[in-house]
Amino acid sequence: GAGVSQSPRYKVAKRGQDVALRCDPISGHVSLFWYQQALGQGPEFLTYFQNEAQLDKSGLPSDRFFAERPEGSVSTLKIQRTQQEDSAVYLCASSFKTGRGGGYTFGSGTRLTVV
Amino acid sequence: QKEVEQDPGPLSVPEGAIVSLNCTYSNSAFQYFMWYRQYSRKGPELLMYTYSSGNKEDGRFTAQVDKSSKYISLFIRDSQPSDSATYLCAMSVGDSSYKLIFGSGTRLLVRP
Repeated sequence: GAGVSQSPRYKVAKRGQDVALRCDPISGHVSLFWYQQALGQGPEFLTYFQNEAQLDKSGLPSDRFFAERPEGSVSTLKIQRTQQEDSAVYLCASSFKTGRGGGYTFGSGTRLTVV
Repeated sequence: QKEVEQDPGPLSVPEGAIVSLNCTYSNSAFQYFMWYRQYSRKGPELLMYTYSSGNKEDGRFTAQVDKSSKYISLFIRDSQPSDSATYLCAMSVGDSSYKLIFGSGTRLLVRP
């Protein structure tokens, strides 16, 4: 497609439930990123993939968060045993560049609400 | 104290005004500086990208970076109601430049 596609757009989860968020990057984009954006805040880095390799996962808040990109294209961010503080917009971004900063194309995000 | 500080606004201006948006930062290692625009319920959209100090102009937008003062600015000339959005500054260091550090965003409202 023309842009980064994320699904679902909205997700309501009961506390303790597992969720999976999907990202379809722009075709051919090597780099893929996940960011978390709390209400009224800027996005915060979670993790970075170059093709299928997860090169940096330093931003994942806890071991309940797990991301994968098995074939170097679609990526899934999984959150286990969701908690209220996980409520945020989860943004995926992609870039044809490897490593160099900026110039990313962001998706519209998945808004997760944990109740 | 956050690494990147940005006034949350809202900033309300009449159509046609010149808008000045600013960020300050504390990490002198930042080398890449960006401005993103974010409409409600949308992802951030890259507006301007600069490396190190200096000015960069693109249409109605001008980005300035003053590394000595740790201060960056975005100027919007002839502002339009369609410019109403949240503006996020972002920056990164050279050796992990893929990891963007964002400000919290300034909400701009351009009144017709």
